[in-house]
Amino acid sequence: AQKVTQAQTEISVVEKEDVTLDCVYETRDTTYYLFWYKQPPSGELVFLIRRNSFDEQNEISGRYSWNFQKSTSSFNFTITASQVVDSAVYFCALDTGGYQKVTFGTGTKLQVIP
Amino acid sequence: EPEVTQTPSHQVTQMGQEVILRCVPISNHLYFYWYRQILGQKVEFLVSFYNNEISEKSEIFDDQFSVERPDGSNFTLKIRSTKLEDSAMYFCASSPGGDGIAFFGQGTRLTVV
Repeated sequence: AQKVTQAQTEISVVEKEDVTLDCVYETRDTTYYLFWYKQPPSGELVFLIRRNSFDEQNEISGRYSWNFQKSTSSFNFTITASQVVDSAVYFCALDTGGYQKVTFGTGTKLQVIP
Repeated sequence: EPEVTQTPSHQVTQMGQEVILRCVPISNHLYFYWYRQILGQKVEFLVSFYNNEISEKSEIFDDQFSVERPDGSNFTLKIRSTKLEDSAMYFCASSPGGDGIAFFGQGTRLTVV
């Protein structure tokens, strides 16, 4: 069975601080994909990144970076120099492909205070 | 990148009424899904659909729910007699199968009053 754990329920940071959102996953599959989605107050799921299980290279996209470590089954997400517009709920998700359903974590609510 | 499209973006309905939520999956995808997110909670799997039949459903997906692929392009979720607790964001997703990943639509916010 698949499981995604986001232990941080809510995080508050002051604008311009860096913040890391944690994600730990469990799966027995050797091929899988990990995602991060942003959900602003309007409710839609905004796709941020997907990584496959064979690619452990860290990725940076502007102020966003992701640290994928298979050894610890973690896929953490860091926002550098946070901005008020980053305030949202962030979901980590696991997709083992094929017809399997996607498993979401419980989300981390990030509040960036001006 | 191709998109999964959902309509409407927001629907308000009276308790007891039937609603149909519509989704247009990505055209060459074979697997279709509905997920639900009650406000402030996690995104939960409802049902998966393949080859014109349900392949898996959760305990949430009871007799008041049904899914259909009426015309080869749309994928619908029908809630027969809505209850207040059906108020949620409903997300449609599709996947090509194999090693392919699921793509999510932007969601339909259903409000039952």
